[in-house]
Amino acid sequence: GENVEQHPSTLSVQEGDSAVIKCTYSDSASNYFPWYKQELGKRPQLIIDIRSNVGEKKDQRIAVTLNKTAKHFSLHITETQPEDSAVYFCAASKGDYKLSFGAGTTVTVRA
Amino acid sequence: AAGVIQSPRHLIKEKRETATLKCYPIPRHDTVYWYQQGPGQDPQFLISFYEKMQSDKGSIPDRFSAQQFSDYHSELNMSSLELGDSALYFCASSHTSLEVRVYFGPGTRLTVL
Repeated sequence: GENVEQHPSTLSVQEGDSAVIKCTYSDSASNYFPWYKQELGKRPQLIIDIRSNVGEKKDQRIAVTLNKTAKHFSLHITETQPEDSAVYFCAASKGDYKLSFGAGTTVTVRA
Repeated sequence: AAGVIQSPRHLIKEKRETATLKCYPIPRHDTVYWYQQGPGQDPQFLISFYEKMQSDKGSIPDRFSAQQFSDYHSELNMSSLELGDSALYFCASSHTSLEVRVYFGPGTRLTVL
């Protein structure tokens, strides 16, 4: 099955700085790559996603890039704010949309 | 906008008891997924249903079963509960005929004592 690796496991950034989280996947048939933000005890919330026919996507302070050849994708958060502090999960899926998640990155934004 | 609804939100059971978790997907969504998330872990896929038929199965124990009903709501039945079943259980839904995105419900926190 699909194996998704996510790095780093923890990330501490100064408010206003950028945060970058990287994921790799194993199954070249995967074609859908969402990112979820999860606050403690809450549901995973979809923040951005990218499909395999696109190399980059941006939504305000959040951007995702995909390198299909290398089988890796990344989340970039610019101008970080305290409310960006949460656990971020990357995921990969084939056409069935069953999601295989990375282990998560705990992001802490220092004021 | 309507979201995925789960009930109950919290459930406390004793070992060897049974539990039933309910999920109401977003209206017009045709696919339901169940995930289990242990403390400090990523969500693990359990099972999914498309148009009321089981579409995929993950790491779901034989003690668990699930089904989707004619109104598209789904139930996860858990029997012979073990301490290790304590976790957050998320239901999610998507509409596979549209540009698919998977949306999660608020979860049910199951505690087995």
